[in-house]
This record gives sequence, C-alpha cells and structure tokens, in this order.
Amino acid sequence: DADVTQTPRNRITKTGKRIMLECSQTKGHDRMYWYRQDPGLGLRLIYYSFDVKDINKGEISDGYSVSRQAQAKFSLSLESAIPNQTALYFCATSEAGTGGRNEQFFGPGTRLTVL
Amino acid sequence: EDKVVQSPLSLVVHEGDTVTLNCSYEVTNFRSLLWYKQEKKAPTFLFMLTSSGIEKKSGRLSSILDKKELFSILNITATQTGDSAVYLCADGSSNTGKLIFGQGTTLQVKP
Repeated sequence: DADVTQTPRNRITKTGKRIMLECSQTKGHDRMYWYRQDPGLGLRLIYYSFDVKDINKGEISDGYSVSRQAQAKFSLSLESAIPNQTALYFCATSEAGTGGRNEQFFGPGTRLTVL
Repeated sequence: EDKVVQSPLSLVVHEGDTVTLNCSYEVTNFRSLLWYKQEKKAPTFLFMLTSSGIEKKSGRLSSILDKKELFSILNITATQTGDSAVYLCADGSSNTGKLIFGQGTTLQVKP
C-alpha cells in the first residue's frame, strides 16, 4: 500500500462549489504539506502543518483552507472554487528535525478542474 | 526571497544522448538541494546534495553541487525513453521543512 494517499484522484467541479481534497499517510511523519502544480511553475506551497495544532500558510494560501484532523490526515478545502484553481494538487510528508535536509514524500496527486 | 531557477524548461533528445539539466539557487543559509523525477504522477526522490555531499551518482544519473557559483546540475548519460519526465530541483534548507521548487525541466527522449 502507498505511504501517502490522496482522494479523490480526479475531480471536476463548477465555479462556486466547495471542494475538499483529502490526504492520509502511514509514514508516521509529523509534517504535512499541500502543493499545487501548474504548467511551467513547478510546485508551489499552499499550506503546511508541523502537527495537529500547528498550521501555517504557504506562498499561495488565498482561497484555500486546511484541517489537520490527526497526525495522519491533512485535508485541503476550496471554500468557493474558481477556474484559476484548476491544477494538480499534491500532498507531501516529511520528518521533523532534519536540520535543513528536507526530503519529502509525495502522494499521487489530485487533478482538479473547475469549470 | 529564496529562489530556485531551472534551465532549460524543456528539452528533446534521442536515445543514447547525454543531457545536462541546470538548477541555480539563491538561498540564505543554504543547507540542501534536492532533485526529483516526475512521470505523470507523484515526484520521486533522486538525490539530495548538501555542503558535505556535493556529488551523487546512481546508475546513469549523477548530480553535482557548486557551492561557490550556487548551482547544481543533473546529468543523465545514455538516455532511454523511460527517462522522459519532468525533473524538479528544490531548495530544502528551511527549518520549516518546506521545499522551494524551480519551474521544472521537461525532458522528452525519442526512440
């Protein structure tokens, strides 16, 4: 079984709808991250969490919210989806305290299309 | 602001060719740079380069880090069609654990 899983894998929705993307991990890592990927822009960080009580904004958090329900679960919500949120979304995990050697492990991605 | 820039953005070669992908970085308090390969799914880890480990090799892939000129290269020799992917470079120096990615280089290897 995969260490980091994401659901759904694909989603098509309409402008204005509320969408939740879910991420679960069995790696036992404390840190979890949400990224979006757009062509030609690499991966950009939306939110990250050090543990259940510690959630931080990334570089592009506007229009998104997150919830860390447990160490193993980190969900991303689009409160009112808009077309420019069409992208590939990745969840990732890493160990804490790596001293700036931050290898991350990625889920398979969710392809979201907002019409 | 920390920044990572990759070049070229895309590259087309034929099987057997050798390719060099570039990654330059501007990072305060640099500690690590990572390379990932992405084939239509999740990025998979290739190498991590640090001040104490500036050269890595795995099969036909190798990478070096130039701490003075602030860049890294990823070299692939004897390319195969299975090397076709997006190659991502990222700074991994942050105490928060977050990665700062470059734009990625899309490599296509033709038979």
